Amino acid sequence: EDQVTQSPEALRLQEGESSSLNCSYTVSGLRGLFWYRQDPGKGPEFLFTLYSAGEEKEKERLKATLTKKESFLHITAPKPEDSATYLCAVQGYNTDKLIFGTGTRLQVFP
Amino acid sequence: DAGVIQSPRHEVTEMGQEVTLRCKPISGHDYLFWYRQTMMRGLELLIYFNNNVPIDDSGMPEDRFSAKMPNASFSTLKIQPSEPRDSAVYFCASSIQGVSYGYTFGSGTRLTVV
Repeated sequence: EDQVTQSPEALRLQEGESSSLNCSYTVSGLRGLFWYRQDPGKGPEFLFTLYSAGEEKEKERLKATLTKKESFLHITAPKPEDSATYLCAVQGYNTDKLIFGTGTRLQVFP
Repeated sequence: DAGVIQSPRHEVTEMGQEVTLRCKPISGHDYLFWYRQTMMRGLELLIYFNNNVPIDDSGMPEDRFSAKMPNASFSTLKIQPSEPRDSAVYFCASSIQGVSYGYTFGSGTRLTVV
């Protein structure tokens, strides 16, 4: 069964303090690994898709990387506006559905 | 494009009542997904449609839940009768097959069953 585990559940950072979020997955043939950002009271918003081990994607202060068993979302010099829940999801080869992890709730304070 | 539109945004109902949640996907998207989000279980897929046809409903909790997609621009998720454990945020999302940006989610319906 496809499964996604995210850690930590919650993370508090000082503004400018870089860190990484982890997403471990098991899937029968990875078609894509997705990162989403979710703000309170809103639906998840797409950030990145990664397709194969070794691939990296960047957007502003965020960089996502992928290995055969896990993905990392690196946050460099975060700002308070980066505070949100970050969700990881996987899609297997023989399906069109995404399986989500329970997310990491990030708080960045000044 | 206005994005994925869900209604209502909030619903409070009494146990035993019927609840209907509505979704309008993005025009041109041929996949529609219904998810439920709770603190304990995160985002769980309930059912998804391709070209208005239900493909996988294995996540529907029980017979009290049903979903329809009568046309490409509208879908409903119905709970009858509702129970307190159905309280959650229900999201609708749409996508185009093969597109790398995954799904586009609506803003969700927060359901409270008292």
